[in-house]
Amino acid sequence: SYELTQPPSVSVSPGQTARITCFGDALSREYVYWYQQKSGQAPVLVIYEDTKRFSGIPERFSGSSSGTVATLSISGAQVEDAADYYCYSTNISVNGKEGVFGGGTKVTVL
Amino acid sequence: EVQLVESGGGLVQPGRSLRLSCTGSGFNFGDYAMTWVRQAPGKGLQWLGVIRNKAYGGTTEYAASVKGRFTISRDDSKSVFYLHMNSLRTEDTGLYYCLRPLAYWGQGALVTVSS
Repeated sequence: SYELTQPPSVSVSPGQTARITCFGDALSREYVYWYQQKSGQAPVLVIYEDTKRFSGIPERFSGSSSGTVATLSISGAQVEDAADYYCYSTNISVNGKEGVFGGGTKVTVL
Repeated sequence: EVQLVESGGGLVQPGRSLRLSCTGSGFNFGDYAMTWVRQAPGKGLQWLGVIRNKAYGGTTEYAASVKGRFTISRDDSKSVFYLHMNSLRTEDTGLYYCLRPLAYWGQGALVTVSS
């Protein structure tokens, strides 16, 4: 089955840039979406269609995609950005079109 | 304001069935595809399936891991869609979220499959 691969964890100092990657064979032809999930809360959409920031998301969050890898960047990371981040995309197979989440990346800011 | 509220979660024995509901408000429910996602305790997000709106035939797609056991349906007249889960297994335990793809999520319904 189709998979999206993320690093399990990323650490960054406050004010520095955190980058989270997401690898998937179909990413060159399918959009990527990024979600932030804090403990005990539902996920929040951060980036949609590879590069677009969702409403209310700070400008320090940005997305990019090239070939089979998408990247979420947090420029000038803040303590409140510590969370789990998931990429999401779709894949068309013999089973139809299915959604897939990456395994998630725990971002630590300290 | 878009709101989604799940209901129907609880404790169920292995092999039994359960139906989750998700009620939407603050938008024209019939215009949108709707999706179910779950999260096992301490684990990541898993996409379960989607039901398209009537304009796209109301068709469904499922994750391979639940296809044949889970069914998604909708009742636009009530602004509700459902996740019918059969032959439940202990590994189906988790928090089940409904969402209006891809931005709006409910708070989740906890399903515990245990004897």
